[in-house]
Amino acid sequence: GAVVSQHPSRVICKSGTSVKIECRSLDFQATTMFWYRQFPKQSLMLMATSNEGSKATYEQGVEKDKFLINHASLTLSTLTVTSAHPEDSSFYICSARDPRTTGRYEQYFGPGTRLTVT
Amino acid sequence: AQKITQTQPGMFVQEKEAVTLDCTYDTSDPSYGLFWYKQPSSGEMIFLIYQGSYDQQNATEGRYSLNFQKARKSANLVISASQLGDSAMYFCAMREGTGGAQKLVFGQGTRLTINP
Repeated sequence: GAVVSQHPSRVICKSGTSVKIECRSLDFQATTMFWYRQFPKQSLMLMATSNEGSKATYEQGVEKDKFLINHASLTLSTLTVTSAHPEDSSFYICSARDPRTTGRYEQYFGPGTRLTVT
Repeated sequence: AQKITQTQPGMFVQEKEAVTLDCTYDTSDPSYGLFWYKQPSSGEMIFLIYQGSYDQQNATEGRYSLNFQKARKSANLVISASQLGDSAMYFCAMREGTGGAQKLVFGQGTRLTINP
């Protein structure tokens, strides 16, 4: 199956700094990528949908100025958490849609990035 | 309103027994897709099974089967002959929207624990 990578897998940063998380589709071109956030013992919550070459669509309640998403190429999307605070500590998961497939191959998920803000 | 409902926060099952994880959904779209994912402690989301709204037969993937009851809007996951490695969080999800606006909506999840 298709592979999606995320980097870094874990990151610890100080409050007030910015952190960038990369999501790459390794063997297909992803016209659409998604960013999710998952707090401990909770479900995945969609933060935004990222389409290559256009602005991301953010879900209600997600601060677009705080969570900057860039989908500059068909294989790379980045999420930058700006001025991070301890409450931003979470598990961030990206996924990518392969436009060649439909149905079951809806989204391929990355392994996730655990962000800890101290 | 919750579009995907998983009513079992936790399930405990003896090894080798079958287990059913419940999922109900709510949509007015005639075309939709239903998914089950497994999330072990490592955090990765593992695709298990998919059911399209127009599929006539229940989906099966090895030990996994999906009991799709369209009129009741339920899509329960059945795991036969459970194994210790099946212990994980399980999420039911539904694809909603059309075209480029399609996205997945997840249920709250069920934590399954397989006892030896």
